[in-house]
Amino acid sequence: GIQVEQSPPDLILQEGANSTLRCNFSDSVNNLQWFHQNPWGQLINLFYIPSGTKQNGRLSATTVATERYSLLYISSSQTTDSGVYFCAVEQGNYQLIWGAGTKLIIKP
Amino acid sequence: GAVVSQHPSRVICKSGTSVKIECRSLDFQATTMFWYRQFPKKSLMLMATSNEGSKATYEQGVEKDKFLINHASLTLSTLTVTSAHPEDSSFYICSAPSGESYEQYFGPGTRLTVT
Repeated sequence: GIQVEQSPPDLILQEGANSTLRCNFSDSVNNLQWFHQNPWGQLINLFYIPSGTKQNGRLSATTVATERYSLLYISSSQTTDSGVYFCAVEQGNYQLIWGAGTKLIIKP
Repeated sequence: GAVVSQHPSRVICKSGTSVKIECRSLDFQATTMFWYRQFPKKSLMLMATSNEGSKATYEQGVEKDKFLINHASLTLSTLTVTSAHPEDSSFYICSAPSGESYEQYFGPGTRLTVT
C-alpha cells in the first residue's frame, strides 16, 4: 500500500522563526490534507490540497502531485503553533493514510 | 468548514462495563464516518468505516464484537466498547467527509480510561 513519510519528526524553534514541514507519498493520491493536532487532541483542518498552492494567514502549503510531495510552511511562528502536524492522503475510497507526524515546539 | 461533534469528551469506566461514544455531523449529512484510535505519541489508526444503512467495515485485527458500530442516521454514528478492559484505554476519534469533496472533518475525540 501507499507509504506516507513526514519529516522532520521533531522540530524545536524560537517564536518568530519560520519552518517547513515535508510530506512524501509513494503513489498517486486523490486527496491530501494537512492537520494540526493541538495539545487537547483536536485535529484541526489546515489545508485540503491534492495539488497546487494555498495560503491561509501565516500558513501556506504546496503539493507537487507529479513528484509526490507536499510542503507546509509556517511563518513567524507563535507558541500556539505548537503541537503535532499530520499529513494524510486518500486514494479514492475516503480512507486516509497517515504520516507519523511532525512534533513542533515553539519556545517563547 | 463542516463541524463534527463527539460525546463524551472524556469517560472513565470500570473493567467489564460497556461505553458508548457518539459522533455527530452537525451541519452536513454523512453516509460514511470513520472511527480511529490513537495511542500516545502515535499517529491515528483506522479501526472501522461506519456506513449508514449497512454494516460497518472493520480493519484487520479489530474485533467487531468488541467495538460495535451503529450508523443510526445520516448524522449519527456510535461506537460501543463492550466489556471494556484497561487495554482498551485510548483516545478515540471519529471523522466524516463533507460530501462535497474528499475533505474530512474530525470530532474532538473521546479519551477513554478503563480502571
